[in-house]
Amino acid sequence: DSGVTQTPKHLITATGQRVTLRCSPRSGDLSVYWYQQSLDQGLQFLIQYYNGEERAKGNILERFSAQQFPDLHSELNLSSLELGDSALYFCASSPFSSGVYNEQFFGPGTRLTVL
Amino acid sequence: QQPVQSPQAVILREGEDAVINCSSSKALYSVHWYRQKHGEAPVFLMILLKGGEQKGHDKISASFNEKKQQSSLYLTASQLSYSGTYFCGTESDYGGATNKLIFGTGTLLAVQP
Repeated sequence: DSGVTQTPKHLITATGQRVTLRCSPRSGDLSVYWYQQSLDQGLQFLIQYYNGEERAKGNILERFSAQQFPDLHSELNLSSLELGDSALYFCASSPFSSGVYNEQFFGPGTRLTVL
Repeated sequence: QQPVQSPQAVILREGEDAVINCSSSKALYSVHWYRQKHGEAPVFLMILLKGGEQKGHDKISASFNEKKQQSSLYLTASQLSYSGTYFCGTESDYGGATNKLIFGTGTLLAVQP
């Protein structure tokens, strides 16, 4: 158990819908990262927040957005869902923003299925 | 671009050694290594920084050649628990940390009794 929690574990929805994925980082970690893992794309970095502020952005679609709240939990919002958005979404947390002690601890993931 | 890992897959007997390579076309600030078992989350193994700092497990080692933008993960005296898919995550160097990890294609490692 990494100490990172994600809810829900599974999510099944229809195309065109909007969903929210939630992540609680390890106690004391200030950075939260979101990743998308699909069979054909591998593990893709989406976005990072550090202490409430957006710190780095990857190939995140405009239909996707995220935020980190004052209690440091984070939410990833996915809207106008398409079949291709079906994937495993991981949240990871780390103590800092960079550096040698910045190993990332991954949560168990949310499996999103878009029908 | 996504870093390239080699080999794509490897099968070992318990006690044998393995080397997994990760190669990037960009100058790197750091390389992170993770292992993922089927249906589970990736687990941190090693982090190597430009300049030589590194942190990781006792039984797993790694190297980072900054000039060649390459990293290698060394698994010695492999155990059944080493089985899984290994990913390198590379952070490009734009004059410092960028915090974006681009993960490699993955190497599937199977250790047999």
